[in-house]
Amino acid sequence: KNEVEQSPQNLTAQEGEFITINCSYSVGISALHWLQQHPGGGIVSLFMLSSGKKKHGRLIATINIQEKHSSLHITASHPRDSAVYICAVLLITQGGSEKLVFGKGTKLTVNP
Amino acid sequence: ETGVTQSPTHLIKTRGQQVTLRCSSQSGHNTVSWYQQALGQGPQFIFQYYREEENGRGNFPPRFSGLQFPNYSSELNVNALELDDSALYLCASSLVLRAGGPDSYEQYFGPGTRLTVT
Repeated sequence: KNEVEQSPQNLTAQEGEFITINCSYSVGISALHWLQQHPGGGIVSLFMLSSGKKKHGRLIATINIQEKHSSLHITASHPRDSAVYICAVLLITQGGSEKLVFGKGTKLTVNP
Repeated sequence: ETGVTQSPTHLIKTRGQQVTLRCSSQSGHNTVSWYQQALGQGPQFIFQYYREEENGRGNFPPRFSGLQFPNYSSELNVNALELDDSALYLCASSLVLRAGGPDSYEQYFGPGTRLTVT
């Protein structure tokens, strides 16, 4: 079982729709990242959060530490939002270093 | 634009060969992490370097090795390439205030190097 599970795996929406992508994790974390990856590979960090909620433009990320769950919301979706959205949790290893453990990603396609 | 660059963008190698991938971090970032992303999968942590020392390693064999230099550049070396090493290799830089502390800033990812092993 993956330490980080995302749902759905694939999501198709019409322009303007409200979108939610979910992430559940099974380990204790120090922070959670939401990342966006476009075709070709480049990854952009959207949010890093350890509690509560963050908002940036049309993007909102929430995290519930007790339930080990985070959501990424996109309001008024647009075709340019089409990308793979990846949830990654920041773990502190036994040796004291940190590493990101990634979900498999959610492929979002927004049609005009 | 994250300020993190990687070279080359694409690379084709033959099984058994050796490869060096390069990453240039954001200025001032003391930590670089390397990830391997197979097609259709999320990235997997290879290792992390903090102030030029390996500071954590994922489940990758010793033929994956790295270096970090004082000028914010770093390398990932893979020896004895195998077909399964074909993947996108990503580096990410961050500023960590102290090794092992949960107080790192956001990680900034490079565009990746696509390695194909034939």
